[in-house]
Amino acid sequence: QVQLQESGPGLVKPSETLSLTCTVSGDSISNYYWSWIRQPAGKGLEWIGRLYSSGVTKYNPSLQSRVAISVDTSKNQFALKLNSVTAADTAIYYCTKEFYSSPAYYFFGLDVWGQGTPVTVSS
Amino acid sequence: QSVLTQPPSASGSPGQRVTVSCSGSSSNIGSNRVSWYQQLPGTAPKLLIYNNSERPSGVPDRFFGSKSGTSASLAISGLQSEDEADYFCAALDDGPSVVVFGGGTTVTVL
Repeated sequence: QVQLQESGPGLVKPSETLSLTCTVSGDSISNYYWSWIRQPAGKGLEWIGRLYSSGVTKYNPSLQSRVAISVDTSKNQFALKLNSVTAADTAIYYCTKEFYSSPAYYFFGLDVWGQGTPVTVSS
Repeated sequence: QSVLTQPPSASGSPGQRVTVSCSGSSSNIGSNRVSWYQQLPGTAPKLLIYNNSERPSGVPDRFFGSKSGTSASLAISGLQSEDEADYFCAALDDGPSVVVFGGGTTVTVL
């Protein structure tokens, strides 16, 4: 079955760019949709954005001006970049796989999660 | 502030039934499918219910999801100590076509 593993720096300085990678194993990244989720300590979940199997992306309007999700099909990986970070971006970041219907798209849920990677924004 | 509204906490004694509510609007729960997630302390969330009421393989039938109008509910029957966790609801929101979450409910087994 599909497994996900996040990787990237655990500490980022304010105003710099947060960069994380999610490695997909067990299936081709081109077969599904993928999302990044984050969770500040002791708080709820926030959806950051989606990578469609076509390579098209969709972002949370609250982060749209600072976020980019990209794919490297040769490595079966997708990446998150969040620029101009502040302390408010400190959180555990999860990559996830979407479960949905096709051809008519109905979002059913996020059925596979990575273990999460903590990112702290601090000088 | 979360788009979907959940009570911050719920509790029950072992063996009892606990219900967690999730309130939204016509643009999210009212027109899309609801999913529920269980997050045990220190772990990643796990899909518990999808498509309003379906359970993934391996999820006990003590967990029951339902939806009516712009609200959804998760019921846990036969409460067990291992059910102590945070529970989150989620749905797609048509407006911006993004996934929105509830703020989470901490379930405590007394």
